[in-house]
Amino acid sequence: AQTVTQSQPEMSVQEAETVTLSCTYDTSESDYYLFWYKQPPSRQMILVIRQEAYKQQNATENRFSVNFQKAAKSFSLKISDSQLGDAAMYFCALMNYGGATNKLIFGTGTLLAVQP
Amino acid sequence: DTEVTQTPKHLVMGMTNKKSLKCEQHMGHRAMYWYKQKAKKPPELMFVYSYEKLSINESVPSRFSPECPNSSLLNLHLHALQPEDSALYLCASSQGPPGGNYNEQFFGPGTRLTVL
Repeated sequence: AQTVTQSQPEMSVQEAETVTLSCTYDTSESDYYLFWYKQPPSRQMILVIRQEAYKQQNATENRFSVNFQKAAKSFSLKISDSQLGDAAMYFCALMNYGGATNKLIFGTGTLLAVQP
Repeated sequence: DTEVTQTPKHLVMGMTNKKSLKCEQHMGHRAMYWYKQKAKKPPELMFVYSYEKLSINESVPSRFSPECPNSSLLNLHLHALQPEDSALYLCASSQGPPGGNYNEQFFGPGTRLTVL
């Protein structure tokens, strides 16, 4: 069975500071993708960043970067220079590569608050 | 056009009503998805359509009936719902076909459904 675990239900960060959201996962597959999705209150879910498991280099997207530790099955998200607009629910998700469907396995989410 | 649209934004219905949710995308994606999301929870996959054919039904009750009239349009027909079906219903699409290369899922804004 594949699982995604986010152990921090809520986090808080000061504006302009850095915060790291944790995610661990379990899969028996060797090829898969990992994602972080952001869902602001009453707004659309959008993809923040993705990581292909076969790539050793950590993905970065502007202020967002990941720490991908394949052996430890860990996939944390670092947000640098936090902004008020970063306040949202963040979901970590796993998708197997080459499976019958592109089924996303979501974690339970981390609600991030950004304090001015 | 990188947008998935959903109508209506809000829907209130009684347990004896019949209603439909609509999802549309014009990105040429061949896979479309319905998710159900309760407050502060991750989305739960309901159905997946691939090339206009139903490929996954996650044991969803028959009071939810999906339909994919063409590659751009996805409907969810609702009948005899229960109050516990009240939730945010999200539609998503991806390039497809399922399997093989990475396929990012693009989410719509959702329809907030209330069943009285």
